[in-house]
Amino acid sequence: QVQLQESGPGLVKPSETLSLTCTVSGGSISSSSYYWNWIRQPPGKGLEWIGYISYSGNTNYNPSLKSRVTLSLDTSKNQFSLNLTSVTAADTAVYYCAREERFYYYMDVWGKGTTVTVSS
Amino acid sequence: DIVMTQSPLSLPVTPGEPASISCRSSQSLLHTNGYYYLDWYLQRPGQSPQLLIYLSSNRASGVPDRFSGSGSGTNFTLKISRVEAEDVGIYFCMQALQTPLTFGGGTKVEIK
Repeated sequence: QVQLQESGPGLVKPSETLSLTCTVSGGSISSSSYYWNWIRQPPGKGLEWIGYISYSGNTNYNPSLKSRVTLSLDTSKNQFSLNLTSVTAADTAVYYCAREERFYYYMDVWGKGTTVTVSS
Repeated sequence: DIVMTQSPLSLPVTPGEPASISCRSSQSLLHTNGYYYLDWYLQRPGQSPQLLIYLSSNRASGVPDRFSGSGSGTNFTLKISRVEAEDVGIYFCMQALQTPLTFGGGTKVEIK
């Protein structure tokens, strides 16, 4: 059974870079059947898609965040990562990683989420 | 971007009774392959979202058959035939037709 686990600092200072990693267990991140996504949820609010990275390293970002987001893949560690630069308080959220089936585009496996607070 | 609108915002339900949630998209979610790219997710309190329904009407693995999805074009519905206590949480629809993927604002289901 595939599981995803987010990790990274819970507190980031304004203007700095938020860096999170999602570790995939029980399956290979190199599978051509899936995209690997990041989604976030600000406190008390809805879900916002950040972007995905494919098994080959192709990326697709939400235009609202594109100038600040970079996703990367580390197949040797079965991990993928999110970097979000120049953060502000508006980036405070629970960040989820999720696996997306690449033909019908549904997210069938989610991590538990990690809370990131942007504050000095 | 495709805008997703859910109603109602809040839905008090009685166990054993049916419930229905509506989701509307700002444009048709029909793919050229004939499928509607609309998914439903449930986020139980303190948990991450879980997939309930994909392609408008297909139940995900392990999802009870009291959950059903329907709809076409820009109008979609999630129905629970008989609500159980474990069904409480926030239900989100999501369009997967084009990026950026976008979610509805959520419908909070709670027991009366």
